[in-house]
Amino acid sequence: DAGVIQSPRHEVTEMGQEVTLRCKPISGHDYLFWYRQTMMRGLELLIYFNNNVPIDDSGMPEDRFSAKMPNASFSTLKIQPSEPRDSAVYFCASSILLNTQYFGPGTRLTVL
Amino acid sequence: KNEVEQSPQNLTAQEGEFITINCSYSVGISALHWLQQHPGGGIVSLFMLSSGKKKHGRLIATINIQEKHSSLHITASHPRDSAVYICAVRHGGSQGNLIFGKGTKLSVKP
Repeated sequence: DAGVIQSPRHEVTEMGQEVTLRCKPISGHDYLFWYRQTMMRGLELLIYFNNNVPIDDSGMPEDRFSAKMPNASFSTLKIQPSEPRDSAVYFCASSILLNTQYFGPGTRLTVL
Repeated sequence: KNEVEQSPQNLTAQEGEFITINCSYSVGISALHWLQQHPGGGIVSLFMLSSGKKKHGRLIATINIQEKHSSLHITASHPRDSAVYICAVRHGGSQGNLIFGKGTKLSVKP
């Protein structure tokens, strides 16, 4: 298996633009997680899905952030409008049940 | 106060030394994870444990539920072990939320 795939790997955008991050989990995994990592706050859970259904989005910072999982093999995290403070590395991870999580390589987002 | 505290924050060791990284938490948990983040940024899950001890190669993880404490040990450390080690706990009251420590940056010198 190719592991968790994220795209793009790097994204540079201007404040106010819409940003969409993509994730393909490992086939057969029923949990998908979106995390954000910054120097100040470390790793934070934003939202997670079980069988494509959002279970807990309490970590989503504000309404500018939204996440979807239209099917078992694809999820998106959207930021609209983006702000400089959204600059971070965004990781997607997947797991079977709540066992070991497998992380994607991350998307480094820079908002100018 | 953070719910997950790691110590030390930074650790420098000589190749071959035995290394211990500590994690203390203040909430009820259903599981604890140890993650390794390489200098390039990639994250690898090392262990998930809810009791006792697990061993994988030169890595050993232990957890004491009563004391709310876990340790990660590295025997015969090597420069390739240089990374940030992150402790994360799955909150017992939540199905899947992970709460992360700030990480311990380990540097092993040859």
